[in-house]
Amino acid sequence: DTEVTQTPKHLVMGMTNKKSLKCEQHMGHRAMYWYKQKAKKPPELMFVYSYEKLSINESVPSRFSPECPNSSLLNLHLHALQPEDSALYLCASSQGYTQETQYFGPGTRLLVL
Amino acid sequence: GENVEQHPSTLSVQEGDSAVIKCTYSDSASNYFPWYKQELGKRPQLIIDIRSNVGEKKDQRIAVTLNKTAKHFSLHITETQPEDSAVYFCAASIRAGGGADGLTFGKGTHLIIQP
Repeated sequence: DTEVTQTPKHLVMGMTNKKSLKCEQHMGHRAMYWYKQKAKKPPELMFVYSYEKLSINESVPSRFSPECPNSSLLNLHLHALQPEDSALYLCASSQGYTQETQYFGPGTRLLVL
Repeated sequence: GENVEQHPSTLSVQEGDSAVIKCTYSDSASNYFPWYKQELGKRPQLIIDIRSNVGEKKDQRIAVTLNKTAKHFSLHITETQPEDSAVYFCAASIRAGGGADGLTFGKGTHLIIQP
C-alpha cells in the first residue's frame, strides 16, 4: 500500500459537536502530519508526530486535539469548532524526519455550521 | 519562523513554452525544498524536490535550482502541456530539533497553459 488514506471525505458539524478525523498509512513511515488548507490558500502546518510523539504544535487552538495511537494511525479530534475552522484538513506522512518527501492524503473537507 | 515568498501568483503561458516560478525563504536552517502540484479538489502531489547539498535537479521536463546564498529556489517547466495547468506550491522545511521537519508553503502559483 503506497497511499495515505483519510476518512471521512466530507464532514459537516455544528459548533457544539465532537467529531474525529482519521488518517492511515501502511508504508512504514515514521512521521505523520496534519495540515489545514483554506480555499485558494496554501497548506498550513498544524501538528507533527515523530515516532508517535508530538514534536511540533504550531500554536493550534485547543479545540483541535491530535492523537497518534500507533505508527500507522493519526487522529484529529474536533470539539467546539468555529465556522472559520471550515477547511480541507490534510494528513501527510514521511519515511524519515528530515529532507524526506511528505505524501499527502486526499483530505477531509470540513464544514462547520 | 520560516517565511516563504512565491512569485508570480498567476502565470499564463502558451502551450509548448517554458514556465518559471520563483521562491525565496528566510530561515538559513531550512535544508529541504519540495514543489507540489495541486489540481482542483485534489491532494498536493510532489513533482520534484531538492536538498540543500545540491544546486540543481532535473526530471524530464521539470527542473529545480537552489541558491543557498541568496536563499531562493526556482521551478522550471519546459515544453508545457495542457495537463500542466494547476496550482504549484513551493515549500521549505521547518527544523524541529529532534523531531520530524514540517513544511512552510509559499502562497502558490496558478499556472494556466493556453492551447
